[in-house]
Amino acid sequence: GENVEQHPSTLSVQEGDSAVIKCTYSDSASNYFPWYKQELGKRPQLIIDIRSNVGEKKDQRIAVTLNKTAKHFSLHITETQPEDSAVYFCAASWPGDYKLSFGAGTTVTVRA
Amino acid sequence: DAGVIQSPRHEVTEMGQEVTLRCKPISGHNSLFWYRQTMMRGLELLIYFNNNVPIDDSGMPEDRFSAKMPNASFSTLKIQPSEPRDSAVYFCASSFEGAGETQYFGPGTRLLVL
Repeated sequence: GENVEQHPSTLSVQEGDSAVIKCTYSDSASNYFPWYKQELGKRPQLIIDIRSNVGEKKDQRIAVTLNKTAKHFSLHITETQPEDSAVYFCAASWPGDYKLSFGAGTTVTVRA
Repeated sequence: DAGVIQSPRHEVTEMGQEVTLRCKPISGHNSLFWYRQTMMRGLELLIYFNNNVPIDDSGMPEDRFSAKMPNASFSTLKIQPSEPRDSAVYFCASSFEGAGETQYFGPGTRLLVL
């Protein structure tokens, strides 16, 4: 099955700075890569996703990049704000497989 | 639109008791997933259904856990007998079609087994 590794496990940034989280996956056939944000005590919620036919996708302050050759994808958060503090999970799935393989999560803390 | 609905939201029970968690997926979604989340093990997929049929239950910890999906709008996850190590947050999620599609999570059931 798919194995997704996520780094770092914790990340502390100053408000206004950028945050980058990186994930690697093992199955080169994987073609769907979502990112979820989970605030304390809440459910994971999709914030952005990318498919294997796209190299980069942006949504306001959030962007995701995908390097299929190296089998890694990254989440970039620019101009971080206190409300960005949360746990972020990356995930991957491959064609024909319904399930998502999740990374272990990154706890992001934005310091005011 | 109502999202994924789970009940109960909180459950406190004693070791040995039966626990039943319930989930109503988003209308029109045909894939349903049960996850367990703990600090130690993170987010684990327990089982998922497609068109009410269990596709992969390899994540179910042991025979004490069972899940059913009798129709497209309802699923249950049962633990019998429950043990303290089952204490966790259990999430249900649903998606349309399943493969490579966004999964929407319910609010979760926080289970504490004493």
